[in-house]
Amino acid sequence: GAVVSQHPSRVICKSGTSVKIECRSLDFQATTMFWYRQFPKQSLMLMATSNEGSKATYEQGVEKDKFLINHASLTLSTLTVTSAHPEDSSFYICSARSGTASYEQYFGPGTRLTVT
Amino acid sequence: GENVEQHPSTLSVQEGDSAVIKCTYSDSASNYFPWYKQELGKGPQLIIDIRSNVGEKKDQRIAVTLNKTAKHFSLHITETQPEDSAVYFCAASMTGNQFYFGTGTSLTVIP
Repeated sequence: GAVVSQHPSRVICKSGTSVKIECRSLDFQATTMFWYRQFPKQSLMLMATSNEGSKATYEQGVEKDKFLINHASLTLSTLTVTSAHPEDSSFYICSARSGTASYEQYFGPGTRLTVT
Repeated sequence: GENVEQHPSTLSVQEGDSAVIKCTYSDSASNYFPWYKQELGKGPQLIIDIRSNVGEKKDQRIAVTLNKTAKHFSLHITETQPEDSAVYFCAASMTGNQFYFGTGTSLTVIP
C-alpha cells in the first residue's frame, strides 16, 4: 500500500518550453501533496505544499509563476515548470500524505528534468 | 526554524555488521521523526518512523531510538546486507507538513 507514482520519469526539453510532471497516489487519497527538488548528492528541498482544491503554498524563494502546481483531485497533483531554463534541470520528487491524522509522507520515484 | 544535523555523511561497514546513523534536531516541538532510504535515481522510501511519545521502535533488522531530552534520534541497522547500501535521510516534523531533512548518509555495505 501507499504507492505514489510520477510521470514522466525522465524528460528533456528545450530552453523556453514548459514541462508538466504528474504525481498520483495509487492506493490512497492524498489530502496533501508536496513537491521537492533535489540536487545531486544533496538533501531534499521542499518547494511547495498543495491541498486538494486549494492554491499551493510555496516556500520562500520558490517562484510560484514559474512552478505552477495544481492539486485537482485527491489522487493527482501536477507541477508545471514554465519557460524552463538550464538552471531548472534537477530531480523533482513529489510526496503524498493521506490525512491530517497521519504524518507519513510517501514519495514518488522522482522525475529527472534536463533543460537543454 | 528547525535544524536537523545528520552524521556521518558516509559510512562503510562489512556485511553482517551493524550500522548506526545519528541525527540531532533543534526544536523541542518536533514530534515526528521518519527515516528514508534512497537508492540512486529513485525517490526516498519510508523505512521506519517514530513519534515523540515513544523511545524506541523496531522492525526486523531496523530500529530507531529517540532521546527527547538530548534532542537526538538514531537509526540502527543490524546484520547489514549489500542491498542495504543506499543514502539514508532522517527528518523531523512538528505538523506532518513541513519536513526538515538531514543532509543524508551514504551507506556502503561491503560483501
